[in-house]
Amino acid sequence: EVQLVESGGGLAQPGRSLRLSCAASGFTFEDYGMHWVRQAPGKGLEWVSYISWNSDKVAYADSVKARFTISRDNAKKSLFLQMNSLRAEDTALYFCAKRAVDWSLDIWGQGTMVTVSS
Amino acid sequence: SYVLTQPPSVSVAPGETARITCGGSNIGGYSVHWYQQKPGQAPVLVIYGDSDRPSGIPERFSGSNSGNTATLTISRVEAGDEADYYCQVWDSSSDHMVFGGGTKLTVL
Repeated sequence: EVQLVESGGGLAQPGRSLRLSCAASGFTFEDYGMHWVRQAPGKGLEWVSYISWNSDKVAYADSVKARFTISRDNAKKSLFLQMNSLRAEDTALYFCAKRAVDWSLDIWGQGTMVTVSS
Repeated sequence: SYVLTQPPSVSVAPGETARITCGGSNIGGYSVHWYQQKPGQAPVLVIYGDSDRPSGIPERFSGSNSGNTATLTISRVEAGDEADYYCQVWDSSSDHMVFGGGTKLTVL
């Protein structure tokens, strides 16, 4: 079964850090670029970051650039998001998603919730 | 930065046709994708590359894209189609993925 499972979310104080993980199974992880997308409570989808299959290309939304770092470990079929200097506006459900044709996203995880509050 | 504009809501009776638009400057020059998201669930890709359907998506779902507007069309709408729908593109000029604000489809 093709699957993405996120973990690492939780409650963090403003200014602190969290590291999200996404475990892939059921497909050749190392062949595909991967994304993080978030959704604040009651709001729409917001793209966060992208990493190519071999990590040579990364991209970030302006709202997280210089605070978040995306990475991957193909041997462990895992995707990561290091989130530093967290702000209240980073509170959201964070999804990892697999890149498909023409930059669409064909596989999504169920998400991990991040809450930033003092 | 590139902006995609969707109507906040669309309502349609069962059996009728729903059309959800996604506006953007020369969006016809982009490859547009559409996602369905039901409450408490992850998004599901329903249309990619303007008009292609992934395996398992009913033929009732179709897409088009031209000029400044892309459209998701759902024919013979069913109660189970009630969900939020999002359009999406990749803006290669900025290396950013862009989502529309989402449209809530209500089946009357």
